[in-house]
Amino acid sequence: GAGVSQSPSNKVTEKGKDVELRCDPISGHTALYWYRQRLGQGLEFLIYFQGNSAPDKSGLPSDRFSAERTGESVSTLTIQRTQQEDSAVYLCASSSGTLYYGYTFGSGTRLTVV
Amino acid sequence: KNEVEQSPQNLTAQEGEFITINCSYSVGISALHWLQQHPGGGIVSLFMLSSGKKKHGRLIATINIQEKHSSLHITASHPRDSAVYICAVNPRTQGGSEKLVFGKGTKLTVNP
Repeated sequence: GAGVSQSPSNKVTEKGKDVELRCDPISGHTALYWYRQRLGQGLEFLIYFQGNSAPDKSGLPSDRFSAERTGESVSTLTIQRTQQEDSAVYLCASSSGTLYYGYTFGSGTRLTVV
Repeated sequence: KNEVEQSPQNLTAQEGEFITINCSYSVGISALHWLQQHPGGGIVSLFMLSSGKKKHGRLIATINIQEKHSSLHITASHPRDSAVYICAVNPRTQGGSEKLVFGKGTKLTVNP
């Protein structure tokens, strides 16, 4: 696609439910990044995928968070047993190589846990 | 203390003014990034720097590696420059890192 596409754009869920957030990177981009931005806070790195290499999961805040990506295609970020502190905008970015080659952000998914 | 500190947090300017936003960091880095987040939330990468200075249009970014400091300058500011400007760093690690550590951003408002 022409840009990084994220869905849904907004999600309201009840505390304790599981949610799945989707990111469609730019076609041909091998690298994919997930970030989180909580209200009034800076962006936080969550996870990085590069092709078929093992992902860098060092930013995932707890074992309730997981992400998958098959090859160089769509990625899904799953949050299990959501908590109110998970409310944030979840942003995805993709790159044709590494950050050095430039990267493009999606418009994000706003998650509200009530 | 955050690894990346930006100042000021908020900045209001009149159209045409010269703007400076500062970023200090406390870790060794392989690169520093400046990003722009529009009021609608979209984020755009402006610069990636590992040394010296880069210029793009009215935007200039500089970095001093020894002092662990970077500045973003906007010349002849315009209301459309109103946005949050975010500084982020790639911490230097063995084997390289794609992890970015972000500052909290500087909210710039340029009035006509």
